[in-house]
Amino acid sequence: DAGVTQSPTHLIKTRGQHVTLRCSPISGHKSVSWYQQVLGQGPQFIFQYYEKEERGRGNFPDRFSARQFPNYSSELNVNALLLGDSALYLCASSPILEGNYGYTFGSGTRLTVV
Amino acid sequence: AQTVTQSQPEMSVQEAETVTLSCTYDTSESDYYLFWYKQPPSRQMILVIRQEAYKQQNATENRFSVNFQKAAKSFSLKISDSQLGDAAMYFCAYRSPPHTGTASKLTFGTGTRLQVTL
Repeated sequence: DAGVTQSPTHLIKTRGQHVTLRCSPISGHKSVSWYQQVLGQGPQFIFQYYEKEERGRGNFPDRFSARQFPNYSSELNVNALLLGDSALYLCASSPILEGNYGYTFGSGTRLTVV
Repeated sequence: AQTVTQSQPEMSVQEAETVTLSCTYDTSESDYYLFWYKQPPSRQMILVIRQEAYKQQNATENRFSVNFQKAAKSFSLKISDSQLGDAAMYFCAYRSPPHTGTASKLTFGTGTRLQVTL
């Protein structure tokens, strides 16, 4: 079975540009979450979607937005990129929200803003 | 808001020996879940072990076990018979159960880098 897949794996953008990151959850998983991991830090929660509805948003500016599609895949969009947006962006999926599921993570997208 | 603290930025252990990684957390909730994740240089976060707060019995997964002290809000990870492949960043994480209309997010600590030496 395919795990959580993210694309692209690496990306270099210029300040002020826009970026779209993509995530395909494990088949049958209805929840997708996005995390930002700055070098040397633990991941920080950005968004969670479940059944195509936003369930929560972390402490990130409105430049960050996301959506979940009918097939449960998801996109994370970041507008007006800043140097500080350089990070590893991780996607995680789970079948439901309840229970002790620990979420399955993808390998991430490394975004560099220059 | 929940917080997770890992006070050991780096730890080192010899192959075949035992090492314990520390984690404390702060929450006002009584029902929650705790996790340890491993992140090797490949970047993928891999679930190592999980613990439900309502269970008094400490979780065990092969060479990995936890010491869960709910009153002290402590959740340490013990790795027995350490192997070279255990070298990685280890993150402690907290998750509260979903409440109506809210996210069930993971809150991570800052991580502990584990080195395994011959």
